[in-house]
Amino acid sequence: DVQLVESGGDLVRPGGSLRLSCAASGFTFRNYWMHWVRQAPGKGLVWVARVDSYGSETRYADSVKGRFIVSRDNAKNTLHLQMNGLKVDDTAVYYCVSSKTGSTAYFHNWGQGTLVTVSS
Amino acid sequence: SYVLTQPPSVSAAPGETARITCGGSDIGSKSVNWYQQKPGQAPVLVIYYNTDRPSVIPGRFSGSNSGNTATLTISRVEAGDEADYYCQVWDSSSDHYVFGTATKVTVL
Repeated sequence: DVQLVESGGDLVRPGGSLRLSCAASGFTFRNYWMHWVRQAPGKGLVWVARVDSYGSETRYADSVKGRFIVSRDNAKNTLHLQMNGLKVDDTAVYYCVSSKTGSTAYFHNWGQGTLVTVSS
Repeated sequence: SYVLTQPPSVSAAPGETARITCGGSDIGSKSVNWYQQKPGQAPVLVIYYNTDRPSVIPGRFSGSNSGNTATLTISRVEAGDEADYYCQVWDSSSDHYVFGTATKVTVL
């Protein structure tokens, strides 16, 4: 079975940093694009970042560009999200999501999410 | 940036049909995906590429897309269909992914 397991969520002060990880299993990780999607408490889904199957091309939502870095380790079947300069508005559950290659691909498999709380 | 608009809520009695719309400029030219999210759970893909359905999703779920509106139709609604539903597209002009504003489906 496909599994995506996020970790690293925590309570952090504004301006702080946090690194999220996602361990993938049950599929050929290196063949899929990977994304982070977040959901603030009581709010809707928002796409955050994408990395291609090689880890060489990335895209970011405007709200996180320049602060967040998405990366992957295909040897370890792991996805990461380095979050710097955190703001209160970054408080959300962060989901690790897979898609087939290609920009029009759909979000096929989702992890259960990890909660990031930014508060003083 | 591209905007997708959904009604906040839709209700239907068991056995009836629920239709959830997703409005966007010329959305008919885009590929629309739909996700179901139950409270406390991660989203689940229910329709992709406008009309295709993952094998684990019941045939009661169907999708269509034309003009400025995409529609998710749930036939013979069941209590277990109560959830939030999101439409989603890829915006080619920004190379970003956009979700709709979510529709809460209530089974009366």
